[in-house]
Amino acid sequence: LAKTTQPISMDSYEGQEVNITCSHNNIATNDYITWYQQFPSQGPRFIIQGYKTKVTNEVASLFIPADRKSSTLSLPRVSLSDTAVYYCLVGVLMFSGGYNKLIFGAGTRLAVHP
Amino acid sequence: EAGVAQSPRYKIIEKRQSVAFWCNPISGHATLYWYQQILGQGPKLLIQFQNNGVVDDSQLPKDRFSAERLKGVDSTLKIQPAKLEDSAVYLCASSPRTQGISTEAFFGQGTRLTVV
Repeated sequence: LAKTTQPISMDSYEGQEVNITCSHNNIATNDYITWYQQFPSQGPRFIIQGYKTKVTNEVASLFIPADRKSSTLSLPRVSLSDTAVYYCLVGVLMFSGGYNKLIFGAGTRLAVHP
Repeated sequence: EAGVAQSPRYKIIEKRQSVAFWCNPISGHATLYWYQQILGQGPKLLIQFQNNGVVDDSQLPKDRFSAERLKGVDSTLKIQPAKLEDSAVYLCASSPRTQGISTEAFFGQGTRLTVV
């Protein structure tokens, strides 16, 4: 599985856009990039997934350059409730078995300040 | 739809005692994961089931941890005997069989284990 590297922590203020970049230099052809969010005392929650270019949903955007060696999670206009740990995962989709391998790193602790 | 259910939410035991955690995944989900999350760290995969078969247990300390998935539905994770370093949150997650392209897993709230 590809190793991921992301900042340990980030600080932001309410209303700002936050971009968290993840490096995954040895990503494989069939790897998808997934981001999860985790609040204290809760299990992680899926945010967004992508393979290449740009993906957007109601929560975030995911930017993936052509070489796919990195990806950037973009959170528009953050609020205090976005304070959480954000994990970048490079998941291998096991097509033959129909399941995923989801390996978490240390994540990025985002603190949003008033 | 109902989410992933775990019980108990909290457990305090003495070292060398045994403990069991229970997980009821989302109905119809083929894949079930157990993770261990130590305070301040990311979740660490202990074991992964596809239906009732194990597809990955490479990081499960098999001398003290065991897990089973009954009839491909509910699962239990057991620790016997517990050590102080087993203090952590144990997370269960499930995901459907990937018909298309999806890496989404659904997590329960976890069981917080304290070994004293």
